[in-house]
Amino acid sequence: DAMVIQNPRYQVTQFGKPVTLSCSQTLNHNVMYWYQQKSSQAPKLLFHYYDKDFNNEADTPDNFQSRRPNTSFCFLDIRSPGLGDAAMYLCATSSHREQGYEQYFGPGTRLTVT
Amino acid sequence: GESVGLHLPTLSVQEGDNSIINCAYSNSASDYFIWYKQESGKGPQFIIDIRSNMDKRQGQRVTVLLNKTVKHLSLQIAATQPGDSAVYFCAEISDRGSTLGRLYFGRGTQLTVWP
Repeated sequence: DAMVIQNPRYQVTQFGKPVTLSCSQTLNHNVMYWYQQKSSQAPKLLFHYYDKDFNNEADTPDNFQSRRPNTSFCFLDIRSPGLGDAAMYLCATSSHREQGYEQYFGPGTRLTVT
Repeated sequence: GESVGLHLPTLSVQEGDNSIINCAYSNSASDYFIWYKQESGKGPQFIIDIRSNMDKRQGQRVTVLLNKTVKHLSLQIAATQPGDSAVYFCAEISDRGSTLGRLYFGRGTQLTVWP
């Protein structure tokens, strides 16, 4: 089945130690998104790629970076994780960026910072 | 700025009853809405969507109602089952200017279904 896959499902990292989360999709969608979701809160968009075009949200900290080497894969890099970065990180894809096209979410990676 | 919010953070219903989850939005120019279901430890799952040129849309056991006059959206679940227990988010996709492609989520409502 076509789907959005995130690895790992659970990640533990140390304060200040760089960490990379990965997302892959078999839907061949043009758009890939990264969201941060903290406990009991709604997902918050960090950035998205429209093909290779990177779009950062204005309030996304510089500590968060992303790479999309090809259509299928997208990575979230946290350069120096702080305790406040502990959250669920959700990857989503969409065939189009405009309204009317739903976003398909992966299962998420839960990041713990010790 | 735009915001999509929910009236109640929690809702408890008995199995077999109908559930109604409400959502208020502030951007009167919004014209596409989605309801997502998120089970514990999982990503949001699409339930149903509606465009602003519609007042009502039905799916399997779910109905979404849109009242543009008061900027209100609701999700009705018929014959609620234990498997419906989850957090429900309403969301808006904006495609205007610099906000192209952004999905604005509401706060979420935790639905608990009791046997």
